[in-house]
Amino acid sequence: QITLKESSPTPVKPTQTLTLTCTFSGFSLSTSGVGVGWIRQPPGKALEWLALIYWDDDKRYSPSLKSRLTITKDTSKNQVVLTMTNMDPVDTATYYCAHLEYRDFDYWGQGTLVTVSS
Amino acid sequence: SYELTQPPSVSVSPGQTASITCSGDKLGDEYASWYQQKPGQSPVLVIYQDTKRPSGIPERFSGSNSGNTATLTISGTQAMDEADYYCQAWDSSTEDVVFGGGTKLTVL
Repeated sequence: QITLKESSPTPVKPTQTLTLTCTFSGFSLSTSGVGVGWIRQPPGKALEWLALIYWDDDKRYSPSLKSRLTITKDTSKNQVVLTMTNMDPVDTATYYCAHLEYRDFDYWGQGTLVTVSS
Repeated sequence: SYELTQPPSVSVSPGQTASITCSGDKLGDEYASWYQQKPGQSPVLVIYQDTKRPSGIPERFSGSNSGNTATLTISGTQAMDEADYYCQAWDSSTEDVVFGGGTKLTVL
C-alpha cells in the first residue's frame, strides 16, 4: 500500500525559505519509472505543479518558480525534500506530494497548509 | 508555456451525463489524466492515459482525447460526483507537468 505524508512546517515569514519533507512508504524511489512530485493549491484556487524528481535523480521544475525551488531525494530514508526560497504571502497554499507512475499522480499525500505571514 | 483550458463550471441533473472538456494545443498527441477533488480532500486520479480507470473508480467515469480536446464523461451522474475536476497533461517540449484550471461540477 502506497502512502505519502507531507511534513508540517513551522510558520513561515516573508523572505524566509520553506522546507517541506515528503515521507513515503509502499514503493522505492530507486525503481525505474517512479517519481515524486510536489503540487500546491492556494485556498479556493487550482492545482499548480511545482517540481518532480525521478528514480534516476532527473529533476523538473515549474518554469515560473524554477529559480526558487530545489527538490532532492533520500532513497534510504524514503523521503523527498522541497525547498522554496524567498517566500511571500501569495505562496500561502496547501502543498501536496504525490507518487508518479509513468505519467500520472496516482497516490497523493493529505497535504499540508503553509501560511506565509509576518 | 503549455496551457490547458477548462470551463469553470458544469451543471448536471442527477442521472444525466456530464461532460467536462480540457483544451490544449495538440492535446490529443499526449496522454491526458483527470483528477477529482472533493472539498477538504486530496485529489484522486479517476482517468489516466486518456481512457483508463484506476482500480476502484466506477465505470460511469470515462475519458477520451483527440485533436485539441480531452473530455471526461460521467454517465448517470450521482450526487457524490459533485466535486472539482482537473485535467493534467505534459508539455512535450519540456517534459513539464501541466494542470488545467479546474471545473466545478454541480449536480442539481
